[in-house]
Amino acid sequence: EAQVTQNPRYLITVTGKKLTVTCSQNMNHEYMSWYRQDPGLGLRQIYYSMNVEVTDKGDVPEGYKVSRKEKRNFPLILESPSPNQTSLYFCASSLWVGSPNGYTFGSGTRLTVV
Amino acid sequence: AQTVTQSQPEMSVQEAETVTLSCTYDTSENNYYLFWYKQPPSRQMILVIRQEAYKQQNATENRFSVNFQKAAKSFSLKISDSQLGDTAMYFCAFWGYQKVTFGTGTKLQVIP
Repeated sequence: EAQVTQNPRYLITVTGKKLTVTCSQNMNHEYMSWYRQDPGLGLRQIYYSMNVEVTDKGDVPEGYKVSRKEKRNFPLILESPSPNQTSLYFCASSLWVGSPNGYTFGSGTRLTVV
Repeated sequence: AQTVTQSQPEMSVQEAETVTLSCTYDTSENNYYLFWYKQPPSRQMILVIRQEAYKQQNATENRFSVNFQKAAKSFSLKISDSQLGDTAMYFCAFWGYQKVTFGTGTKLQVIP
C-alpha cells in the first residue's frame, strides 16, 4: 500500500529532551515536507526537501532540524524541545513540488512538551 | 509570496443541505494547482478535490464541486447533500512552482 508512515502518533516529553519524529514513504516521491498544525493558524511548513541531500527552511524552521540521507526517509529532529513546540505535526510527500497529485500525508504526531 | 485566505473559521449545515466554503489566494504565478483537503476528527488529511489553473472547467468529485474564478483568485468548495461524515476541518491549498501554502481552515459541522 502506498503510504507515508509517521511515528510516533502521540508523544509527551519534557523541555530540553531531544526527540526525533520519523517519516518514511514508499512511493519514490522526490518532495517531502514537514508541517505543524495549530488552531487558527492552519498548516505551516517547517522544512522541506526537493530531493536527497537537499533541504530548505519553510516558514517556521526555528527549533527544528531535518535530514534527507535517503529518498524515502525524512526525520524531524527537535534538539531541545520547548512548550511552544507543542503541536500536531504532519509529514507529507509528493512526486515533486507542484505535482498535480498533491500531497500524501502521514497520520500525524501529537506532540506535547511539558 | 503566496497567501491563502479562508475567511470562515466555522460553519454549520443541516444534513442533506448544500454548503459552500470560500477560499481566496494571491499569487503572481500563472500555472498552479489548487486543492481542498478534508481533516475529520481522526485527523487524517484526505484529498477532496483539485483544480488545475489552466483549466476553465470547474472540477467535480461526486457531491463535491468547486467554483474556480482565476481572475478573482477565488476557489470555493461546494458540498451538496451534506452528510454527517462530512463533519471535518477543510483546508484550501495552493500549489505553485516552488511552494505549497495552506489556508487556516474552515471547521464544518453537519447537523442531523
